[in-house]
Formats: sequence, C-alpha cells, structure tokens
Amino acid sequence: DGGITQSPKYLFRKEGQNVTLSCEQNLNHDAMYWYRQDPGQGLRLIYYSQIVNDFQKGDIAEGYSVSREKKESFPLTVTSAQKNPTAFYLCASSSSGTGRSPLHFGNGTRLTVT
Amino acid sequence: AQSVTQLDSQVPVFEEAPVELRCNYSSSVSVYLFWYVQYPNQGLQLLLKYLSGSTLVKGINGFEAEFNKSQTSFHLRKPSVHISDTAEYFCAVSVNFGNEKLTFGTGTRLTIIP
Repeated sequence: DGGITQSPKYLFRKEGQNVTLSCEQNLNHDAMYWYRQDPGQGLRLIYYSQIVNDFQKGDIAEGYSVSREKKESFPLTVTSAQKNPTAFYLCASSSSGTGRSPLHFGNGTRLTVT
Repeated sequence: AQSVTQLDSQVPVFEEAPVELRCNYSSSVSVYLFWYVQYPNQGLQLLLKYLSGSTLVKGINGFEAEFNKSQTSFHLRKPSVHISDTAEYFCAVSVNFGNEKLTFGTGTRLTIIP
C-alpha cells in the first residue's frame, strides 16, 4: 500500500542537541510538507518542497532545516536554535502542490526535549 | 491571506444524535475547502473536500459538509454519530492562486457520550 512513513514514532532528546526526523513516501507525489502540531493551535507549516532540490520556508521555519535530495524523502532537522521544540511533527505529501490537491499525512513523530 | 475559524474547541454529543461542527473562513479570492479527521496519536485523514460544483459535499464515514459562499462557512454534519467518531476534526482552506498552501483551523474535539 502507498503511504507516508515517519520514524521514529517517539523521540527523546536533551536540550542543545540537533535531531533529525525521517519522512519517506511511496506515493510518487511531487510536493512534501512538514507541520508542527501543538495542543489548541492546529497545524502550522514549517517547510515545504514542490520539487527535488528545492524547498521553501513556511510560517514557523526558524530553528528548523530540511533537505530534498530524493523525491521520496524529506527529512526535518530540529536544531538547538529552536526555542520550544517539544511537539508533534507531521509530514505530508500531495500530488501537485497546488491548492486543490489534498494532503496525505504520515502518523507523526512526537518529539520531547528535556 | 486566507484564515479559518473553528469556534468550538470541544463538542460533546450523545451516541446516535446528530452533530454539526462549525467552520468559517476568510479569503478575498476563490477557495478550496477541506475537512480532516485525526484519531489519537495518528496523522490526519481526509474526510471530504470542496473544489467546485455542488455545494453539498459527501465524504467518508457518513459525513457531509455544505459550502455557503455568502456566509463564508463550510460546516461539517453527520445525522447520527457513533463512538468511533470520537476524534479531532480540522477544517482547512487554500486558494486557487497566489499562496496555495493549506491553512488549518485550530480543531474541534468531538466526544461521543454513550
């Protein structure tokens, strides 16, 4: 079955450490996205990519970095510069990246930084 | 830029009763509208979408929504809910040109009372 795989499901890190969240899709979708979810705040866009080797900042990109070296993969690095990194992170993809294309989501990674 | 308001953060409903989850949007251009559902510790799944045409849209699990352009609303309804409908529901909007990224509401937690 096609889908989006995020790993790991739970991640624990000490403050000051960088951490990379994995996102792989086998839907052959062009566009991929990273969202952050906090209680009561909905989903906020961190970064998105509409094509390999290109990506754009979303609404809350500070303290995060991404790469898109392969169509299938879009890893997110949470750096030590992110002031409040503990959150639920969701990766998504869409076929075209246009406004009419619905998103397909992975099951998320819950990051806890202490 | 577009925005979405979900006024009800929590909605308790008795099993087999009808439910309406409210969503209002703001945009100066034509929109695409979506409802997603999120079960605990999972990603989001698409319930239904409005792209164009008929204003009454039917989705999965017996849900439907009506696009009302004059009231800038896209309320989600189900005539009879089940315990399995307990989840968080997100309304989202995008536009058909310019910034086409999805903007999510803050979510409505639907709790079904046996």
